[in-house]
Amino acid sequence: ETVMTQSPATLSVSPGERATLSCRASQSVSSNLAWYQHKPGQAPRLLIYGASTRAIGIPARFSGSGSGTEFTLTISSLQSEDFAVYYCQQYNNWPLFTFGPGTKVDIK
Amino acid sequence: QLHLQESGPGLVKPSETLSLTCTVSGGSISSSSYYWGWIRQPPGKGLEWIGSIYYSGSTYYDPSLKSRVTISVDTSKNQFSLRLGSMTAADTAVYYCARQGGFYDYWGQGTLVTVSS
Repeated sequence: ETVMTQSPATLSVSPGERATLSCRASQSVSSNLAWYQHKPGQAPRLLIYGASTRAIGIPARFSGSGSGTEFTLTISSLQSEDFAVYYCQQYNNWPLFTFGPGTKVDIK
Repeated sequence: QLHLQESGPGLVKPSETLSLTCTVSGGSISSSSYYWGWIRQPPGKGLEWIGSIYYSGSTYYDPSLKSRVTISVDTSKNQFSLRLGSMTAADTAVYYCARQGGFYDYWGQGTLVTVSS
């Protein structure tokens, strides 16, 4: 099983600032890595797939990078609606497509 | 626009079996490109994959739940279903259904299932 870890667990950021979230896989997942945004009471929202491709309708301030075992989600200038929990998920190692534990982005 | 909607009881007694259904609209569950999955989120915890099914009926389950889980599909109704047996308080969670092409691009809104007597 591929174990996903995320850091930090909580990230306190002021609106307008940049946020950098990390995700690490216990073995290579190539570029088969997705990022999701999850707000309370809502369904998770796909932000990034293929490690760096934005999903339909996702603003350009969200960007993803990395391959293999190390990945980064960057939010270039945090808006009020971006405060949420962010999960990474690998979909390389069939069929156990594991999620990371999440990073909570809250208001500083 | 694809839409997924979970339905089922919000309260289940310990040791009983949970049955949830996901109804897909705006697209066919028989698409050859996708699996259909169940994911849950216990209170205060992260997302957990439960299992997935292809329209042909092929299934994959999380090993930790495999002995208690059955996922089935009804292509005539454009639905897929989850059964989770021997429920305990640890199974209390919001249960989501989602379309899976590797990553999950469409999700239901989720349904809270509480295990309590």
